[in-house]
Amino acid sequence: EVQLVESGGGLVKPGGSLRLSCAASGFTFNNAWMSWVRQAPGKGLEWVGRIKSKTDGETTDYAAPVKGRFTISRDDSKNTLYLQMNSLNIEDTAVYYCTKEDSSGYFIWFGSWGQGTLVTVAS
Amino acid sequence: DIQMTQSPSSLSASLGDRVTITCRASQSISSYLNWYQQNPGKAPKLLIYAASSLQSGVPSRFSGSGSGTDFTLTISSLQPEDFATYFCQQSYRTPLTFGGGTKVEIK
Repeated sequence: EVQLVESGGGLVKPGGSLRLSCAASGFTFNNAWMSWVRQAPGKGLEWVGRIKSKTDGETTDYAAPVKGRFTISRDDSKNTLYLQMNSLNIEDTAVYYCTKEDSSGYFIWFGSWGQGTLVTVAS
Repeated sequence: DIQMTQSPSSLSASLGDRVTITCRASQSISSYLNWYQQNPGKAPKLLIYAASSLQSGVPSRFSGSGSGTDFTLTISSLQPEDFATYFCQQSYRTPLTFGGGTKVEIK
């Protein structure tokens, strides 16, 4: 069974930094493309960014609002995904979900989700 | 960026009703469209991928259709556990984008 467990959320001041972790189990992590998706309180879902597998170059891609401030990385030896968030602002307040991307041919979807971790940016 | 527009944003329905939710893409996305269900305080759950493929374990009362720019999610007979919020999402190109959501409430 796929399990994704996020940690590292909390309260941070505007301009501050935070690193989220996502511990993965139940699948071959080093083959998986992983994404972070966030949800501001009472709002919809917003894709944050993705990291491909090492086999596919371990390349990253980000949504415009976080590009240059957030960095996604992975440690395949620890089956762990990370989200380093710098220069946080109030608009980054959200529940952050770690997701595993599944695929069939060119079709891709978020097949598994963690329980989420809340990041609150406030002074 | 590809904009995804869902309608309605909310609806009220009764048990046993047939419910249809629409999702429109700002440009053609072929069949690169997924649907998720989210209950309050929970993570989203995949229902439909590639526009019409039912995720394993999802009840057959859920179905998806469409291609190009117009898509629908249909619940054939609404059950108590179906009262939730539903999101569409395109995977045609990054940035991956979601619709605004449709909240299905009890009438």
